[in-house]
Amino acid sequence: GAVVSQHPSWVICKSGTSVKIECRSLDFQATTMFWYRQFPKQSLMLMATSNEGSKATYEQGVEKDKFLINHASLTLSTLTVTSAHPEDSSFYICSALHANEQFFGPGTRLTVL
Amino acid sequence: EDKVVQSPLSLVVHEGDTVTLNCSYEVTNFRSLLWYKQEKKAPTFLFMLTSSGIEKKSGRLSSILDKKELFSILNITATQTGDSAIYLCAVEARGNEKLTFGTGTRLTIIP
Repeated sequence: GAVVSQHPSWVICKSGTSVKIECRSLDFQATTMFWYRQFPKQSLMLMATSNEGSKATYEQGVEKDKFLINHASLTLSTLTVTSAHPEDSSFYICSALHANEQFFGPGTRLTVL
Repeated sequence: EDKVVQSPLSLVVHEGDTVTLNCSYEVTNFRSLLWYKQEKKAPTFLFMLTSSGIEKKSGRLSSILDKKELFSILNITATQTGDSAIYLCAVEARGNEKLTFGTGTRLTIIP
C-alpha cells in the first residue's frame, strides 16, 4: 500500500515552454503533498507544500509564479514549470503524506534544452 | 533554520566490509530522523528514529539515534554490491511534516 506515481518519468522540452508534472497517490488520499527538486550530486530540496483545496506553501527562494502547484483533488497534485530554462533542468520528486509518513513518487527528470 | 550534515560524502569499500554512515542535525522541536536509500530514482524508506538509544534493525542494516548529541548512525554489515546507493538522512520537526535532507553519502561497494 501507499503507492505514489509521477508522470511523466522524464521530459525534454525547449527553453521557454511550460511543463506539467503530475503526482498521484494511488491507494490512499493525501491532503498534503510535497514537491522536491534534486540537482545532480545534491540532496533533495523542498520546493513547496501542496495542500488540497488551498494555496501551496512555497519555501524561501522558490518562485511561486514560476512553479505553479495545483492540488485539486485528494489524489492528485500537479507542478507546472512555466517558461522553463536550462537551469530548471533537474530531478523533481513528489511525496504524499499518509499516516504521518511521506511516501515518495519515482521522480520526473526534466531536461530543458 | 533546520540543518542536516552527513559524513562521509562518499565511501568506497569492498564487498563484505562493514560501513558506518553518520548524520548530525540541528532542528527546532525535533520529531523524528529518517534514513532513506536512493538508487536511480526516488528515495526508499529505511528507518524512522524517534527515541534515543533504541537500535532499529532490518537485516544487515541497523540505525541508532542519540538525541543528546544530535546524531545518528546507519550501519551496514557484510556489504553487497546491491548496497551501492546514496544514503540520505532527513529530520522532521514537530508542527509541520516537512523533511530537511542532508546531502547524502554516496556508497560504492566494489565486488
